[in-house]
Amino acid sequence: DGGITQSPKYLFRKEGQNVTLSCEQNLNHDAMYWYRQDPGQGLRLIYYSQIVNDFQKGDIAEGYSVSREKKESFPLTVTSAQKNPTAFYLCASSKPGLAGVGADTQYFGPGTRLTVL
Amino acid sequence: RKEVEQDPGPFNVPEGATVAFNCTYSNSASQSFFWYRQDCRKEPKLLMSVYSSGNEDGRFTAQLNRASQYISLLIRDSKLSDSATYLCVVNAGNMLTFGGGTRLMVKP
Repeated sequence: DGGITQSPKYLFRKEGQNVTLSCEQNLNHDAMYWYRQDPGQGLRLIYYSQIVNDFQKGDIAEGYSVSREKKESFPLTVTSAQKNPTAFYLCASSKPGLAGVGADTQYFGPGTRLTVL
Repeated sequence: RKEVEQDPGPFNVPEGATVAFNCTYSNSASQSFFWYRQDCRKEPKLLMSVYSSGNEDGRFTAQLNRASQYISLLIRDSKLSDSATYLCVVNAGNMLTFGGGTRLMVKP
């Protein structure tokens, strides 16, 4: 089945540790995104990538890093520099529309819930 | 002012009721609009896109008012399974902007 997978589903981290969240898609989508969601709030964009080997910062990139070495994969590293990392992290992908490079309908993975102890 | 604003609710309605949510957006250059549904502790899933002429999908109707910069979602004959948070999503430029969501609770 085609889709987006994220792992792990739950992740616990001690303060001061870096952790990497996995995101894989087999939808042949060019664009991938990482969002963060806090309780009762909307999604906020961390990083996005519209093509392999290229990515841009979103609204809240500080304390995070990404790579896009393969079309299918877009891992997110939460570094120790991120002040308040406990949140629900969502990965999404889309196939930009014919009108140009842009956000088409985005499809989400099941998310990773990160808790810093 | 937030780019995309929604009433957080919760909207508590009985089964069979009709309920409507509105969402306002600030960027007049916004090009496309969506409603996503998010169940508790799950990922958002696309409910429907919103077209200029309005569109309907079964019990769900979406409308767009560009002049007043708002979109709406109408749910008829509410089911218990409609209980969820509904996210208003707007595309201005290359990125999507999400509202905070409106929580709906349908009671028996």
